[in-house]
Amino acid sequence: GNSVTQMEGPVTLSEEAFLTINCTYTATGYPSLFWYVQYPGEGLQLLLKATKADDKGSNKGFEATYRKETTSFHLEKGSVQVSDSAVYFCALAERTGGGNKLTFGTGTQLKVEL
Amino acid sequence: EPEVTQTPSHQVTQMGQEVILRCVPISNHLYFYWYRQILGQKVEFLVSFYNNEISEKSEIFDDQFSVERPDGSNFTLKIRSTKLEDSAMYFCASKQETQYFGPGTRLLVL
Repeated sequence: GNSVTQMEGPVTLSEEAFLTINCTYTATGYPSLFWYVQYPGEGLQLLLKATKADDKGSNKGFEATYRKETTSFHLEKGSVQVSDSAVYFCALAERTGGGNKLTFGTGTQLKVEL
Repeated sequence: EPEVTQTPSHQVTQMGQEVILRCVPISNHLYFYWYRQILGQKVEFLVSFYNNEISEKSEIFDDQFSVERPDGSNFTLKIRSTKLEDSAMYFCASKQETQYFGPGTRLLVL
């Protein structure tokens, strides 16, 4: 079956530091890949996505590149802010069929300090 | 910007009681989903719904669970007889091309 593995948190960084959150996946087909973010007390928000190999998703300074050869979709940001403190979820969806349920990783909590 | 809404935001119930969680998906979306997140654990798929029927469900989605789109705008999840282990955050999502999530309903079963 499909699965997503994320680096464990919490990750604690100083403001303006470089962020990497690792994500690798296992899938039977050619999935679409996503990063969702959950701010404290809120629901899941789509941060970025990539639908095929070598695509780069980007939003709000965050980037992730779909690497088929390493089955990875690592999230990066060059300079984090305190407001980026949240839980980040990597997820995949198989592109076969219409349902396209999401399979999530365990989430990585990011804490950014001044 | 259109968004998925869910009510209530919090619900406390006694074990064995029925609960109905409500969602209003984004209006032009065709696919609807329920997920849950037990505290400290990953977000898990429960069920997907398309064209007024279930298109896929997980092992978690047993006979105690049901979904309905009663009036063309609401999408509900019913738990017939709640158990302690049903305590979780329940997220509704809807999709045209990408899934958008509601803010969740936190269910506590005592």
